[in-house]
Amino acid sequence: GQNIDQPTEMTATEGAIVQINCTYQTSGFNGLFWYQQHAGEAPTFLSYNVLDGLEEKGRFSSFLSRSKGYSYLLLKELQMKDSASYLCAVLDSGYALNFGKGTSLLVTP
Amino acid sequence: EAGVAQSPRYKIIEKRQSVAFWCNPISGHATLYWYQQILGQGPKLLIQFQNNGVVDDSQLPKDRFSAERLKGVDSTLKIQPAKLEDSAVYLCASRPPGQSPYEQYFGPGTRLTVT
Repeated sequence: GQNIDQPTEMTATEGAIVQINCTYQTSGFNGLFWYQQHAGEAPTFLSYNVLDGLEEKGRFSSFLSRSKGYSYLLLKELQMKDSASYLCAVLDSGYALNFGKGTSLLVTP
Repeated sequence: EAGVAQSPRYKIIEKRQSVAFWCNPISGHATLYWYQQILGQGPKLLIQFQNNGVVDDSQLPKDRFSAERLKGVDSTLKIQPAKLEDSAVYLCASRPPGQSPYEQYFGPGTRLTVT
């Protein structure tokens, strides 16, 4: 079976840094994705990791440790528009995405 | 490039009624997915098509849900009869062939309310 865990909610201050963790146990692994989803909208792609290490893309970075079944999404210089749900998803052996329940991030002034 | 199109955007039906959703993927995208996203949860894969063939429908409640992609382009998802617990957003996504990072592009979704 698939088990993907991430915190339900997080709150951070505008301009700060926040780290959203994700742990997973899945049947097969072909990469880990992070998606951002604003309320009432479709998920949009943020990052993809298939090898261990850190991938940096502007204010967003994502880290993967396959041996630990662990990833995190790091958001720097938080902006109010970053308030959204952040979805961790693992691509399994059949190339299907298995999503966690999402982490609702609230950025406060 | 046009995105994934879905219709309708919203639908309200009574339990035991039938409903159908339509999806038109991005041109050239061979793989198409239907997801169910219940409020407060992540999307759950219902069915995956590769061209007009089903790759994975292990989580599709086949007693009431059906989906087809007859010509390998657009797709329909049907629920018959609907139950209260089917209230959710139904997301369609597509992916171009053989391209890492296998990113999926999502449509805006259809929000279904069953009363």
